[in-house]
Amino acid sequence: QLILTQSPSASAALGASVRLTCILSSGHSSYAVAWHQQRPEKGPRFLMKLNSDGGHNKGDGIPDRFSASSSGDDRYLTISSLQPEDEGDYYCQTWGTGIPLVFGGGTKLTVL
Amino acid sequence: QVQLVQSGAEVKKPGASVKVSCEASGYTFTDFFIHWVRQAPGQGLEWMGWIHPHSGAATSAQKFQGRVTMTRDTSISAAYMELSGLRSDDTAVYYCARTGLREISWGQGTLVTVSS
Repeated sequence: QLILTQSPSASAALGASVRLTCILSSGHSSYAVAWHQQRPEKGPRFLMKLNSDGGHNKGDGIPDRFSASSSGDDRYLTISSLQPEDEGDYYCQTWGTGIPLVFGGGTKLTVL
Repeated sequence: QVQLVQSGAEVKKPGASVKVSCEASGYTFTDFFIHWVRQAPGQGLEWMGWIHPHSGAATSAQKFQGRVTMTRDTSISAAYMELSGLRSDDTAVYYCARTGLREISWGQGTLVTVSS
């Protein structure tokens, strides 16, 4: 069974960098994922698709401060030069055609 | 650009049904899957199912099987999700989402409140 595991919370100072992690369950290291941002009281916003080889495609208008990488079963989202508007929940989600969307539990990011 | 516009908020009584619409524009509607995702208050995102607008083929998460019906009207590029036997724990924001080749587009969400 495919499960995506995310830390419930993360925090970093204004202007600093933070790396969020999404861990794929064993045997699923070839899966691509999508990263989504959800600001408070807003709907999800697609950030990027991240392949198992680290290649990624960003959504329209996503700042260069957002980047992503992969290592084995781990998928990372890195946000540099943190801004107040980066606060919110971040979700990873499996990527595929005609398959269920499996979401991680989300990471709540606090900008200090 | 791709746009998904959903129907407005609904208030339903327990046991009733609700039907949420999702009108698509900016792309060929029949080319891409439409997924339905919900989010209960204070909770994460939960996948409900998908429909492929070209064929009308649909599949739902086991949790919702027997209660959810997904349909589409290709003449107006709209997808629909109907949930029956509503309970208080079905209170949530319901989203449609299109999975493209390299991106995912979200509708704005529809709040469904189930209350007696």
